[in-house]
Formats: sequence, C-alpha cells, structure tokens
Amino acid sequence: GAVVSQHPSWVICKSGTSVKIECRSLDFQATTMFWYRQFPKQSLMLMATSNEGSKATYEQGVEKDKFLINHASLTLSTLTVTSAHPEDSSFYICSAYPLGRGSTDTQYFGPGTRLTVL
Amino acid sequence: AQSVAQPEDQVNVAEGNPLTVKCTYSVSGNPYLFWYVQYPNRGLQFLLKYITGDNLVKGSYGFEAEFNKSQTSFHLKKPSALVSDSALYFCAVRDMDSGNTPLVFGKGTRLSVIA
Repeated sequence: GAVVSQHPSWVICKSGTSVKIECRSLDFQATTMFWYRQFPKQSLMLMATSNEGSKATYEQGVEKDKFLINHASLTLSTLTVTSAHPEDSSFYICSAYPLGRGSTDTQYFGPGTRLTVL
Repeated sequence: AQSVAQPEDQVNVAEGNPLTVKCTYSVSGNPYLFWYVQYPNRGLQFLLKYITGDNLVKGSYGFEAEFNKSQTSFHLKKPSALVSDSALYFCAVRDMDSGNTPLVFGKGTRLSVIA
C-alpha cells in the first residue's frame, strides 16, 4: 500500500523558535500533498495544499508567513512553523494522492506530528 | 461546496452487537466517499471508499458502508463490534469531478465499544 511518513512524530519547543516537520511519501510520488491541523477531539482542518515545484495554496485564515511550506521533490513536503507560540500547539497531519497509480481516489495520511510549544 | 455531517459525537455499543456510525454528505456533482479511523495520537487509517458500482462497500476489519444516493448518506456498519474498534471515525467526501482536491471531513464520531 501507499505509505506516508512524518518526522518528527512529536516535538517540544520553546516559544519563539521555529520547527520543521517533514512529510514523505515512501513508496509513491505525489505532486500534491496536503497539510492538516487537528485540535483535541476535533476534526481535521485543511491548512494548505503543497504543490511540487510551485507555491503552496493556503486556506483562508492560515498565515502563510507563519506556516512555511516547501514541496521540493515528488516525495517530500515540509511544513515550518516559524516563531512558534503556545497557540500553535497542535497535531499536524500530512496526506497525499499517489501519482500515476491508475487511481488517484484515495488520500493517504501520515501518522501525524504532535507539536507542543512551551 | 462540499460538506459532510456526522450527527453523533459519540456512539456507544456493547461488544458483539452491531454498530452504525452515521454520515450524510453534500456535493454538487457525484461523490467519492470515504471512511477513515483514527486511534489516539495517530494519523488516519483508510477503511473503505465508495467510488462507483455496488452501493454496499466492504472494507478493512469487517467494516462496510452503504451508499444511498437518495438520502445522501454513507453510514458505516459492522455486524459485531469489538472492543478494539473503539476509536474516532471520520467520514469524508470529494466531488468526483474536482481532480486531486483534498477531502472534506466530517467532525468525527467517537465509537466506544464496551466489553
């Protein structure tokens, strides 16, 4: 099956620092990856669509200067939370559609990254 | 615009009993429908999907879901619940003609199976 990994799985940082989260598709390529944020006991909120080789598309209300997204290759997208604050603490999940698999119907998700900002 | 409604925040069922987790959707075109399960501090695991064809879809771990176009529903079911089925379940939808756009998720339903 299609596997998506995230690194780190959890991170604790001090307020004001920046944190980078990696999302990798391990056995498929993806021109498009998605970044979601999930608050405790709530649904997934789409933050942005990451496009390989071009700028990310951010959802309304998401600060693009705070949540920097880079999709440098067909298997890697990164989310950098800049100058993190406690309110950025959350569970961040990435996902992707396999490219060239004959079916692009199923969106595969990474295991998530738990960010805690002190 | 696409949307998903999961009317129940919590569903409790006794082990061995059948379970149903409800989902209704709204799309402008034809829907792709999905169910995912999430265990604590984990990402989403794909359970099953409806694309086209038979309205009854069978998925992982004995789960199934029935697509009902007239009621715009896609309820998740299992004939006999296990304690290990306790988790958070998300229904999601995408318009068939929308390309590789992200899924739209319901708010989730927490399933608790009691031994």
